[in-house]
Amino acid sequence: GAGVSQSPRYKVTKRGQDVALRCDPISGHVSLYWYRQALGQGPEFLTYFNYEAQQDKSGLPNDRFSAERPEGSISTLTIQRTEQRDSAMYRCASSLAGDPHKYFGPGTRLTVL
Amino acid sequence: RKEVEQDPGPFNVPEGATVAFNCTYSNSASQSFFWYRQDCRKEPKLLMSVYSSGNEDGRFTAQLNRASQYISLLIRDSKLSDSATYLCVVTLSGGNTPLVFGKGTRLSVIA
Repeated sequence: GAGVSQSPRYKVTKRGQDVALRCDPISGHVSLYWYRQALGQGPEFLTYFNYEAQQDKSGLPNDRFSAERPEGSISTLTIQRTEQRDSAMYRCASSLAGDPHKYFGPGTRLTVL
Repeated sequence: RKEVEQDPGPFNVPEGATVAFNCTYSNSASQSFFWYRQDCRKEPKLLMSVYSSGNEDGRFTAQLNRASQYISLLIRDSKLSDSATYLCVVTLSGGNTPLVFGKGTRLSVIA
């Protein structure tokens, strides 16, 4: 079946612009997670949802970052007024209810010039 | 102190060698433990869960020591295709809680 999909796969933007990154989880997966991964590092937790409810946003670096999942399926991570330090791979993962196994998408490579 | 610590490597080993990776975690309340594998430019994928009793999957053996807060992964008879980054992962509880990743240990198996 289809895995987690993310779009765009690559995003290049200028400093100060807003970007929206999309995640489409595996059908039926209740939980959705956003991670950020810098080169040579493991994924770093940003936020997660169960259904449409945001459960934990403690990993969001500052208030320029926000996420939503209004219908409990597709999620959008928005970064406002991007800065060069926001450049990274942004990864989405999903899982079934109560299942610690997370399935990751291919990621969106964000480059802020 | 990082929540999950791993030796970043790289480990360069010949085909057929046995290699072991270690990992420590700081939060004693951690409940679930995993090894994920990440190939270059790809997403992380679950390799295996880790249990206190130890578990084996073919050439791979994982072990958990809760008292020492230590996790290990042993790969026997290394293959070229084992070359990847191995990520040590913990969660505070089972179920839906987020994964906490180590930085990863890079393995290169050489012909």
